[in-house]
Amino acid sequence: DTAVSQTPKYLVTQMGNDKSIKCEQNLGHDTMYWYKQDSKKFLKIMFSYNNKELIINETVPNRFSPKSPDKAHLNLHINSLELGDSAVYFCASSHRLRNTEAFFGQGTRLTVV
Amino acid sequence: RKEVEQDPGPFNVPEGATVAFNCTYSNSASQSFFWYRQDCRKEPKLLMSVYSSGNEDGRFTAQLNRASQYISLLIRDSKLSDSATYLCVVIYPASGGYNKLIFGAGTRLAVHP
Repeated sequence: DTAVSQTPKYLVTQMGNDKSIKCEQNLGHDTMYWYKQDSKKFLKIMFSYNNKELIINETVPNRFSPKSPDKAHLNLHINSLELGDSAVYFCASSHRLRNTEAFFGQGTRLTVV
Repeated sequence: RKEVEQDPGPFNVPEGATVAFNCTYSNSASQSFFWYRQDCRKEPKLLMSVYSSGNEDGRFTAQLNRASQYISLLIRDSKLSDSATYLCVVIYPASGGYNKLIFGAGTRLAVHP
């Protein structure tokens, strides 16, 4: 009964490919996030959705397209992968109005070769 | 100036030592504050929330100073298992009435025998 689950856990792919990462939460939260953690370990917010609506988009290249079919799911599609996209991508969820903490998925380690 | 700043460390301390981390934030409208812990190759997990009155959880004490815009984490009687990266997290209002969770870069702690 994992609270925030993302798949796959590992993803190795070649430059130029298109890939997707899926995220689901069963906590009843209304807000979901994508974070990128690079080799320097800095966690940087990419996107945030509230009730399926995009509310934060942090200057991320257009090759990254999030999609939220419902408030329990937030997927991330990446087109034309580049070497610099190699990182760990974390999905998280929280309750917007309660200002409470975010819960994280286990992360997807993406390696572009 | 970064939105949330932390000393990256590493802090190398012997078992039993007391160690303190500070974190400063730039947005005076910040509403909620947390300390997260991240182990190597794992997702960040909530360690504790930080309240205006300060709070303590066993060997861990968190303090908030709104006037100076910093939060702190004190770990007493360090254990080997405390070795991890400690992330400062701040929630502040973004546009449209939504909140943003911003992470500091993290402070690495290494506790040695």
